[in-house]
Amino acid sequence: DQQVKQNSPSLSVQEGRISILNCDYTNSMFDYFLWYKKYPAEGPTFLISISSIKDKNEDGRFTVFLNKSAKHLSLHIVPSQPGDSAVYFCAASSNNNDMRFGAGTRLTVKP
Amino acid sequence: DAGVTQSPTHLIKTRGQQVTLRCSPISGHKSVSWYQQVLGQGPQFIFQYYEKEERGRGNFPDRFSARQFPNYSSELNVNALLLGDSALYLCASSLRLAGGPYEQYFGPGTRLTVT
Repeated sequence: DQQVKQNSPSLSVQEGRISILNCDYTNSMFDYFLWYKKYPAEGPTFLISISSIKDKNEDGRFTVFLNKSAKHLSLHIVPSQPGDSAVYFCAASSNNNDMRFGAGTRLTVKP
Repeated sequence: DAGVTQSPTHLIKTRGQQVTLRCSPISGHKSVSWYQQVLGQGPQFIFQYYEKEERGRGNFPDRFSARQFPNYSSELNVNALLLGDSALYLCASSLRLAGGPYEQYFGPGTRLTVT
């Protein structure tokens, strides 16, 4: 059962523009959501998170939005940089238990 | 500070063999989780251990087992290897504070190839 879905396998944007990565989930018990970035030959790196009691969390160029009624979250990267090119995974957990990951979106930022 | 370390980095085994993968968490982290990532998919949860006790188990067969040691390091064992077990095995550690942030920090993974 795929409880966390990233329906866009890839995204290409121009340097300096906004990147928007989307994620949908089905389990209403999830109470913590995270985004990870993964480069080839490395493990995923934590990027930003949001608790279910919030609808927005910002950290520099990265902002995560949570819409609980729609069971949807998104990651905005502004401005996008070539170094942001990586695979981005959305993840969700409930009660600090097992974390469920989406299949990932490959972001390419073109100079 | 050292991050999560895993050994070995690569491993080649034949069908039917057994394999043991090792993980050392970030100092001070008491929770270790194991994930399997096959090509084109996100990490799939296998086990979570906290304070040496199993706290969660994913949808994997009994051929998969794990344990956590008093120093919080962990081992993942897979018996009777199948071709489909070929994957990147990721270990992640966290503080696992109930109700608090639950960021997991991943190691570089062990690439297992079963032939």
